[in-house]
Amino acid sequence: DAGVTQSPTHLIKTRGQHVTLRCSPISGHKSVSWYQQVLGQGPQFIFQYYEKEERGRGNFPDRFSARQFPNYSSELNVNALLLGDSALYLCASSSDFRVAYEQYFGPGTRLTVT
Amino acid sequence: QKEVEQDPGPLSVPEGAIVSLNCTYSNSAFQYFMWYRQYSRKGPELLMYTYSSGNKEDGRFTAQVDKSSKYISLFIRDSQPSDSATYLCAMSPYNNNDMRFGAGTRLTVKP
Repeated sequence: DAGVTQSPTHLIKTRGQHVTLRCSPISGHKSVSWYQQVLGQGPQFIFQYYEKEERGRGNFPDRFSARQFPNYSSELNVNALLLGDSALYLCASSSDFRVAYEQYFGPGTRLTVT
Repeated sequence: QKEVEQDPGPLSVPEGAIVSLNCTYSNSAFQYFMWYRQYSRKGPELLMYTYSSGNKEDGRFTAQVDKSSKYISLFIRDSQPSDSATYLCAMSPYNNNDMRFGAGTRLTVKP
């Protein structure tokens, strides 16, 4: 079975631009979470979606938004990019939002903002 | 003070050594405690999780939780060079999706 997949693998953007990151969960998983991992730090929770509804939001500005589609895939959007948004963006899936402790991560998208 | 504290290392041990990795936390609401392994340029991989206090063993890995001290540990027996990675602790409250991670400890096992 395929694990969590993310695209693109890497991308480079300029300050002020917008970016869209994509995630496909493990087959049968209905919950998708997004995390930001800055170099040298642990992942930080951004959003969780379950059955297309937002179930949780971390302490991130409104420039960050996300949505989940009927096939349970998800997009993370970041507007007005800042240098500090450079990070590895991780997507994780689980069977239910209440079992966040059993999340499986994708390989991540490495975003560099110049 | 961070909610989850983890010594970033780096930690270097010879092959076959017993490795001890630790995290402390401040939020008494945490009920689930996870350990992830992250290889360079990869996503974290779930090793094991425990609920509340106690021990859990899986092969060469043992996780311990002491809620009274707000202290969790991961022990790796007979460490192998393939265990070289960053180990992240994570924790969440019961029925809550907001996981909090430690900064990760970078481990190198030398042949």
